[in-house]
Amino acid sequence: AQSVSQHNHHVILSEAASLELGCNYSYGGTVNLFWYVQYPGQHLQLLLKYFSGDPLVKGIKGFEAEFIKSKFSFNLRKPSVQWSDTAEYFCAVNFYNTDKLIFGTGTRLQVFP
Amino acid sequence: EAEVAQSPRYKITEKSQAVAFWCDPISGHATLYWYRQILGQGPELLVQFQDESVVDDSQLPKDRFSAERLKGVDSTLKIQPAELGDSAMYLCASSQDSYSGNTIYFGEGSWLTVV
Repeated sequence: AQSVSQHNHHVILSEAASLELGCNYSYGGTVNLFWYVQYPGQHLQLLLKYFSGDPLVKGIKGFEAEFIKSKFSFNLRKPSVQWSDTAEYFCAVNFYNTDKLIFGTGTRLQVFP
Repeated sequence: EAEVAQSPRYKITEKSQAVAFWCDPISGHATLYWYRQILGQGPELLVQFQDESVVDDSQLPKDRFSAERLKGVDSTLKIQPAELGDSAMYLCASSQDSYSGNTIYFGEGSWLTVV
């Protein structure tokens, strides 16, 4: 079955620390990849997306993600987090063969000043 | 920036009562989705519309849930009767067309608490 895994359920960092959140998916065919963020009390917002081309994708607020096809991974990174990055982060994968968008379980990030 | 509008934001209802949520997608978006997000989990698709037609409702508990998008614009999701396990956030989203190659935009969600 198609699935998306986010192994880090809860990450706690100090400001200025580097961040990497893992995302793996189960399917080896054509996919579109997304990272969404949900700030406390707000709706899901798109951070970045990968459809094709350069596997290193830059998004808003200094976030980037790298698609590694051989590892079925799309990890999210930020070199220096801020307190305002405290939020829940969801990886989502659109599997072309079924045209479904499947979300991971999310990673809760807490950044302390 | 255009947004997906949802109402109500919060709803508390008693078990066995009926509840309804409304969604107005971004103008011009043909595809509309209803997701359910249980606390601590990622959103799960309940139903997907392309214009006024349902294209995927395989995860919709049809004995108690119904969804419609009569004129292909706004949509209503209904639960009758509500059960305790329905407590969750119900998210509406829209995209210009179906998933592949399109970005999905989410509304703020409707929190449902069933007591």
